[in-house]
Amino acid sequence: KTQVEQSPQSLVVRQGENCVLQCNYSVTPDNHLRWFKQDTGKGLVSLTVLVHENDKTSNGRYSATLDKDAKHSTLHITATLLDDTATYICVVGVDTNTGKLTFGDGTVLTVKP
Amino acid sequence: EAAVTQSPRSKVAVTGGKVTLSCHQTNNHDYMYWYRQDTGHGLRLIHYSYVADSTEKGDIPDGYKASRPSQENFSLILELASLSQTAVYFCASRPDRGETLYFGSGTRLTVL
Repeated sequence: KTQVEQSPQSLVVRQGENCVLQCNYSVTPDNHLRWFKQDTGKGLVSLTVLVHENDKTSNGRYSATLDKDAKHSTLHITATLLDDTATYICVVGVDTNTGKLTFGDGTVLTVKP
Repeated sequence: EAAVTQSPRSKVAVTGGKVTLSCHQTNNHDYMYWYRQDTGHGLRLIHYSYVADSTEKGDIPDGYKASRPSQENFSLILELASLSQTAVYFCASRPDRGETLYFGSGTRLTVL
C-alpha cells in the first residue's frame, strides 16, 4: 500500500490560474512534511517544510498547509507561470535518527500559455 | 547554495557488468544518500552515510554497495548489473538529519 499518496497524478492549467495539489499519508511518525519541485531531468529542490500540527507556510507564490490529525497536506500555487511546469513531490520525514524519508510519486503539473 | 555533483550524467551498462556511480558534495555535509527513481514512482532509499568510512543500508540495498571514502565523496556500486536496475539514481546530502536534502541532477542508468 502506498504510504504517501498524491493527487491528482497529473494536472494541466493555463498560465495565471491557481492550482492545488494534495498529499495524504499513512506513515508514522510524521515528524515533518516537505514539498519538493522536480524539473524534468533535474534533481529535487525543496519548496517548503511543515512541522507542526496545522502548520501553514508561504514561499512566494507557493503556500502549504498540514493537518497532522488528518495526515493531509496541500500545496497551493498562485498565478501559475510556465516555469512552474514540473513534478511536485510530497515527502514525509519519519525517522529522526536516520533522517529517513518516505516519498510520494508526485503530481505532474503542466502550465500552458 | 549547496552543490551536489553526480557523474556520469548517463550510462549504458551490460547485464553482469560492474557499474560505479559517483557523487561529490562541496558543502561539508555529514549525511549523504543514494536513491533510485523509477518512472512514475517515488524515490526509494538504497544506502546512506552519516560519516566518512561508514555506510548504512536503506530500504532497497540488495544488489548495491556503497562507499564513503571521504566527507565529500559517496559512491554507489553495482557489482553485477541487472536489467531491473535500470533507473535514474539520485545522490543527496544534508547537513543534519532534520534539514532539507540537496539533490544532484541524477544519473540515468540503462542496463541492457
